[in-house]
Amino acid sequence: DAGVIQSPRHEVTEMGQEVTLRCKPISGHDYLFWYRQTMMRGLELLIYFNNNVPIDDSGMPEDRFSAKMPNASFSTLKIQPSEPRDSAVYFCASSLEWPANYGYTFGSGTRLTVV
Amino acid sequence: ILNVEQSPQSLHVQEGDSTNFTCSFPSSNFYALHWYRWETAKSPEALFVMTLNGDEKKKGRISATLNTKEGYSYLYIKGSQPEDSATYLCAFSPRGSTLGRLYFGRGTQLTVWP
Repeated sequence: DAGVIQSPRHEVTEMGQEVTLRCKPISGHDYLFWYRQTMMRGLELLIYFNNNVPIDDSGMPEDRFSAKMPNASFSTLKIQPSEPRDSAVYFCASSLEWPANYGYTFGSGTRLTVV
Repeated sequence: ILNVEQSPQSLHVQEGDSTNFTCSFPSSNFYALHWYRWETAKSPEALFVMTLNGDEKKKGRISATLNTKEGYSYLYIKGSQPEDSATYLCAFSPRGSTLGRLYFGRGTQLTVWP
């Protein structure tokens, strides 16, 4: 298995532009998580899905952020419009069954820079 | 918001030294405690998942213990090597409606000097 695949690896965009981050979880994993890592706040959960259904989106900063999981093999995180304070590394992770029992497998992350 | 504290924030040791660091978490409503290893420019990798009080896990020179009654876990590295340099994250999973979700600490950044 190729692991959790995220794209792009790096994204530089201008303030106000729409940004879409993509994630392909490990096949058979029922849970998918989007995390954001910043120096100030560490790793913070944005949203997670179970069997493609959003379970907890309380970490999504504001309406500018949205996430979808149209099927078991693909998820997107969209920021529209983007702002410089959105600059961070965004990680996608997936887990088999109960993640508390099995742990997460993380993707390589997308480093987003908004200028 | 659940508080997961890790100490120290950073640690510098010489090759061959043994070291340990701490993760503190809420002792009530415990379900699981995870440790992850995060090398610079890579993504976190799971080391251990512990669910039982008194659990002790070992992987090579790295081991971890768990005390759910008092809400802490220790990670030990015996005979540190430069390749052990990384940030070590712990993450707590509570029992209840947020089952499945992990709350991460800020990590302990370990640097092992040759």
